[in-house]
Amino acid sequence: EAGVAQSPRYKIIEKRQSVAFWCNPISGHATLYWYQQILGQGPKLLIQFQNNGVVDDSQLPKDRFSAERLKGVDSTLKIQPAKLEDSAVYLCASSLGLGGPVTQYFGPGTRLTVL
Amino acid sequence: EDQVTQSPEALRLQEGESSSLNCSYTVSGLRGLFWYRQDPGKGPEFLFTLYSAGEEKEKERLKATLTKKESFLHITAPKPEDSATYLCAVQVGGTASKLTFGTGTRLQVML
Repeated sequence: EAGVAQSPRYKIIEKRQSVAFWCNPISGHATLYWYQQILGQGPKLLIQFQNNGVVDDSQLPKDRFSAERLKGVDSTLKIQPAKLEDSAVYLCASSLGLGGPVTQYFGPGTRLTVL
Repeated sequence: EDQVTQSPEALRLQEGESSSLNCSYTVSGLRGLFWYRQDPGKGPEFLFTLYSAGEEKEKERLKATLTKKESFLHITAPKPEDSATYLCAVQVGGTASKLTFGTGTRLQVML
């Protein structure tokens, strides 16, 4: 079974530039999550989708971050404009459903460096 | 607010030297406690889910246990390939299913 796919794996940008990350979840998984992991910390949830609807985006900095999952499968996360403090690994995860407890499976992540 | 604290931050063991990692939590309405392993440059890899106090699960050299306030990950006779960061996370009740993570324990197993 194929796992969660993410691209790109690495990205280096200047501050105030924009960047986008892509995620394709495990086939059949209805729920998709984006987490931010700053060096030395545990992942922190940014946004959670159930199919193509948002379940939780309470910790998403909406002035600069946006995310969509238009067809209920793959998703993109965008940052515009980027700040130095956005340097982190952005992890995508997916699970079969909601409620739970549900096991989340993670992709390899995208390491973002903002200069 | 849900809180998860892991200790120690880092642990160095000799091969074969057994030890335990601790995860203490303060949440209302625990639905599940999860252990993940994370290797450098990779995403977290699922290890265990524990649902209720008294539950135990094992996988190879790892054994996870759960009480009402904390969880332990016991590593028996570790090998160098067990070196990784071990993350603990909690999931609480409600319609959402987000995980709240601790900061992890970096384990290094020396030959």
